[in-house]
Amino acid sequence: AQSVTQPDIHITVSEGASLELRCNYSYGATPYLFWYVQSPGQGLQLLLKYFSGDTLVQGIKGFEAEFKRSQSSFNLRKPSVHWSDAAEYFCAVGGSGGSYIPTFGRGTSLIVHP
Amino acid sequence: EAQVTQNPRYLITVTGKKLTVTCSQNMNHEYMSWYRQDPGLGLRQIYYSMNVEVTDKGDVPEGYKVSRKEKRNFPLILESPSPNQTSLYFCASSLLGQPPVTGELFFGEGSRLTVL
Repeated sequence: AQSVTQPDIHITVSEGASLELRCNYSYGATPYLFWYVQSPGQGLQLLLKYFSGDTLVQGIKGFEAEFKRSQSSFNLRKPSVHWSDAAEYFCAVGGSGGSYIPTFGRGTSLIVHP
Repeated sequence: EAQVTQNPRYLITVTGKKLTVTCSQNMNHEYMSWYRQDPGLGLRQIYYSMNVEVTDKGDVPEGYKVSRKEKRNFPLILESPSPNQTSLYFCASSLLGQPPVTGELFFGEGSRLTVL
């Protein structure tokens, strides 16, 4: 069965600092990987996704993520955090078949200090 | 505009009073799903549907019912709500079997339910 681990429940950074949110997955075949963001009072929005090809993927709002098969990881990064990035971030993994059903991690809450 | 619409967005009810949370999508998606979000537990899947008249249980289906009579609608029914169903609920939809779109979920804005 597929699973996702986000080891950090909360992350606190200062505005302007760099950010890395960790995500480890378990899946027996080629995974589809996603990062979603949930701003306060809102639904989840897709930040970026990896299906195949270049292991460094670019997303919206200046985020990027790197797929590392050897480490079963898909960490999310941003070089300089803005106060508006404060949100809940979810990593998700899905299969490469037609009957895809994604599995979500428990989320990481990002707190940004001015 | 492509969207998933949930109603109501906020609801306070009492134990045992049946309620329905509606979900509608305008993207012709086959796959629809309901999640609940609770602090420290992340998103947990309640029910999902692969297509019209095809539904299946997720991780936490107890106390909920769903139906999929039309492709665009996927209502969540709480026949006899209890306080432990107080939560934030999300509906989501997706295309299936069409990479590279497969698996990208589109979420509604959420429905916050309080059961007293």
